[in-house]
Amino acid sequence: DVKVTQSSRYLVKRTGEKVFLECVQDMDHENMFWYRQDPGLGLRLIYFSYDVKMKEKGDIPEGYSVSREKKERFSLILESASTNQTSMYLCASSTRLPQETQYFGPGTRLLVL
Amino acid sequence: QKEVEQDPGPLSVPEGAIVSLNCTYSNSAFQYFMWYRQYSRKGPELLMYTYSSGNKEDGRFTAQVDKSSKYISLFIRDSQPSDSATYLCAMSAGGANSKLTFGKGITLSVRP
Repeated sequence: DVKVTQSSRYLVKRTGEKVFLECVQDMDHENMFWYRQDPGLGLRLIYFSYDVKMKEKGDIPEGYSVSREKKERFSLILESASTNQTSMYLCASSTRLPQETQYFGPGTRLLVL
Repeated sequence: QKEVEQDPGPLSVPEGAIVSLNCTYSNSAFQYFMWYRQYSRKGPELLMYTYSSGNKEDGRFTAQVDKSSKYISLFIRDSQPSDSATYLCAMSAGGANSKLTFGKGITLSVRP
């Protein structure tokens, strides 16, 4: 059974803190993705990675960075958290095959105070 | 025009009703079409997957794609309270490392 796990389900941080969100997949997928989901705005792609040490900006990369040192792990970093980064963060992974879809983790609900 | 438009919600129906959820899109390169279901406070899970035009049925769920009209639908027959969730359409053009483009999602509530 496919498995994408995220390090925290709920997280509360202060403005200005550095925040790390971790995602691990056990399916040997090449591609990994970070989204945020907000009411009325849907899922928006922050960053994605096609391979180890590779990253590409998504639609809303500002204020975020990512790291992929190992194939199974993709980290999202908020360098200096702000209140407008309060959101649900979802990680996903997929193979490179065009007919393969994305598998999502359970999400991390982040509150920045 | 947004690439993918999904009917706004929320939608509330009585148990046993037939539900029709729809998305339109503008990018004619899209050829892979998906429906995800997302329960409250959970991640989306793949519900239905269709390649190109046509219908696909899985139990009470039918996914329909009309590429000529750039329109996709998800039908739920004999809807159950357990179908209460947010439904997101998603699509991609395919090709290596292609990204998914999502609709904003519609929240469905099935009343017992």
